[in-house]
Amino acid sequence: AQSVTQPDIHITVSEGASLELRCNYSYGATPYLFWYVQSPGQGLQLLLKYFSGDTLVQGIKGFEAEFKRSQSSFNLRKPSVHWSDAAEYFCAVGFSSSNTGKLIFGQGTTLQVKP
Amino acid sequence: DTAVSQTPKYLVTQMGNDKSIKCEQNLGHDTMYWYKQDSKKFLKIMFSYNNKELIINETVPNRFSPKSPDKAHLNLHINSLELGDSAVYFCASSHIYYTGELFFGEGSRLTVL
Repeated sequence: AQSVTQPDIHITVSEGASLELRCNYSYGATPYLFWYVQSPGQGLQLLLKYFSGDTLVQGIKGFEAEFKRSQSSFNLRKPSVHWSDAAEYFCAVGFSSSNTGKLIFGQGTTLQVKP
Repeated sequence: DTAVSQTPKYLVTQMGNDKSIKCEQNLGHDTMYWYKQDSKKFLKIMFSYNNKELIINETVPNRFSPKSPDKAHLNLHINSLELGDSAVYFCASSHIYYTGELFFGEGSRLTVL
């Protein structure tokens, strides 16, 4: 069965430090890949997406992610974290074969930023 | 001007009651969704409509009934509410349904007492 795993439930980084959030998926073909961010009390906002092509994708707010087929991973990175980046981050997978737009989400990673 | 709006934002009710959550999008999208986020923040799809046609109906109790009067609206009605229905319900929409690139509303927090 398809699944998405975010190994880190909670991460704390200092402001200005670099960040990497991990995401692994289980699927037989190349999926569509997404990272969403959820600020407290808010809905989810799309940070970036991968459908095909260049495996390094750029998103909003200075985030990027790299698709590695051999590792079934789609890790999110940011070179320098800002206090406003504190939020919940969700990796999600869509399936090109499903034609339904259904997304499967990981369990989320809570990012805390220390001053 | 909110792109995907849900009402109400908070809903507190007793077990056994019936309640509805409304969702409207002004993005001109053809597809709308309901997702449920539980207390552990796990998000799971419930329903999806494309041009008012149901295309996803996950394993959801039949107490939950979506209704799409037009492609800009997708409402969720819940009958005979149970404690386990307490969650945050998110409405979302997308322009092209098979890619899964979603725009979410701010959520409706349902508390069943």
